[in-house]
Amino acid sequence: DIQMTQSPSSLSASVGDRVTITCRASQSISSYLNWYQQKPGKAPKLLIYAASSLQSGVPSRFSGSGSGTDFTLTISSLQPEDFATYYCQQSYSTLLFTFGPGTKVDIK
Amino acid sequence: EVQLVESGGGLVQPGGSLRLSCAASGFTVSSNYMSWVRQAPGKGLEWVSVIYSGGSTYYADSVKGRFTISRDNSKNTLYLQMNSLRAEDTAVYYCARVTTVTTLHYYYMDVWGKGTTVTVSS
Repeated sequence: DIQMTQSPSSLSASVGDRVTITCRASQSISSYLNWYQQKPGKAPKLLIYAASSLQSGVPSRFSGSGSGTDFTLTISSLQPEDFATYYCQQSYSTLLFTFGPGTKVDIK
Repeated sequence: EVQLVESGGGLVQPGGSLRLSCAASGFTVSSNYMSWVRQAPGKGLEWVSVIYSGGSTYYADSVKGRFTISRDNSKNTLYLQMNSLRAEDTAVYYCARVTTVTTLHYYYMDVWGKGTTVTVSS
């Protein structure tokens, strides 16, 4: 099975900061990597699919990069509404859509 | 409007059963992959199961043999039958549509319900 890890597990940042979250797969997954945002008490929201494709309606300050085993989600200028938990998910194996453990972004 | 609405959650004793429903509107369940994802209190997201448009089904090891995913095309509804429930199955259960970029085999969960809460406790 493909295992996903994320770092850091949490971070504190200020409005306007550039934030980078890393996701690593236990084996190469090409570009089959998605990113989701989840706010407390809410369902997850798709941000990025296929490693770098921005989902319709998602602000352009969100971007994704990477391929193989190492991936990055970047928020270019953190906004108040971006404080949330972010999850990566592999879709290389559609028998098991494994999620990463999450990265919580909170206010410094 | 494209929408998913889960129902059927509740309190159940260990060893008991529950069936979750996920009613879809604005699209056809049988034409898409559909999935269940759960989140235990204070924990991360855990993928549970998927049903392909062709009908094949797959499960996480943690629920294999106990949970069954299915759909009713006439009702445009997805189900999750949960048997032999354990305390560790306590979670919010979300259903999600899995959209594909068919030519490139990219898959992603682009529509989510609000979730239904399952509590397994005596």
